[in-house]
Amino acid sequence: KAGVTQTPRYLIKTRGQQVTLSCSPISGHRSVSWYQQTPGQGLQFLFEYFSETQRNKGNFPGRFSGRQFSNSRSEMNVSTLELGDSALYLCASSWSISGGKRNEQFFGPGTRLTVL
Amino acid sequence: DQQVKQNSPSLSVQEGRISILNCDYTNSMFDYFLWYKKYPAEGPTFLISISSIKDKNEDGRFTVFLNKSAKHLSLHIVPSQPGDSAVYFCAAFIGGAGSYQLTFGKGTKLSVIP
Repeated sequence: KAGVTQTPRYLIKTRGQQVTLSCSPISGHRSVSWYQQTPGQGLQFLFEYFSETQRNKGNFPGRFSGRQFSNSRSEMNVSTLELGDSALYLCASSWSISGGKRNEQFFGPGTRLTVL
Repeated sequence: DQQVKQNSPSLSVQEGRISILNCDYTNSMFDYFLWYKKYPAEGPTFLISISSIKDKNEDGRFTVFLNKSAKHLSLHIVPSQPGDSAVYFCAAFIGGAGSYQLTFGKGTKLSVIP
């Protein structure tokens, strides 16, 4: 069974631009969560989507948004990029909501975003 | 305010010895804890978890201990192997299906020396 895939793997943008990242979950998984990893803040939860609805949200500004499609694929959008948005963005999929609590959350390899 | 802290950014251990990775938390409402392992260029993978109603959970070479009064958990790896070299994240969970908070520590890089 294919794992969680994320595209693109690497991305370079400049301040003020916007970016869209994509995540394809494991087949059959309906929940997709997004995380931001930076050296200073570690791994931080952004939001979780389940059945095309945002079910939970971390403490990030409104510039960070996402959506989920009927096939469970998810996209994350960051508008008006700032230098501090440079990070590794990880998505994780699971069968059910709140996958982070149980051991059923599977992570993708991440998208490395660099903002210049 | 960092609610989950891994105070040791790195740890080096000889192969065959015990590795002990520590994690402290501040929110007494956390009710579930997880450890993840991350290799370079890969996403984190789940390792082991523990509910707040327990004080120990064991899975092969990995054991997690929870001390609720001290708000401290630790991951023991015995014996340590070179393949265990990775970054380890602890995470704490609170809430239910409708609203929850999952907070990670900043990670500890474990190096197991052959």
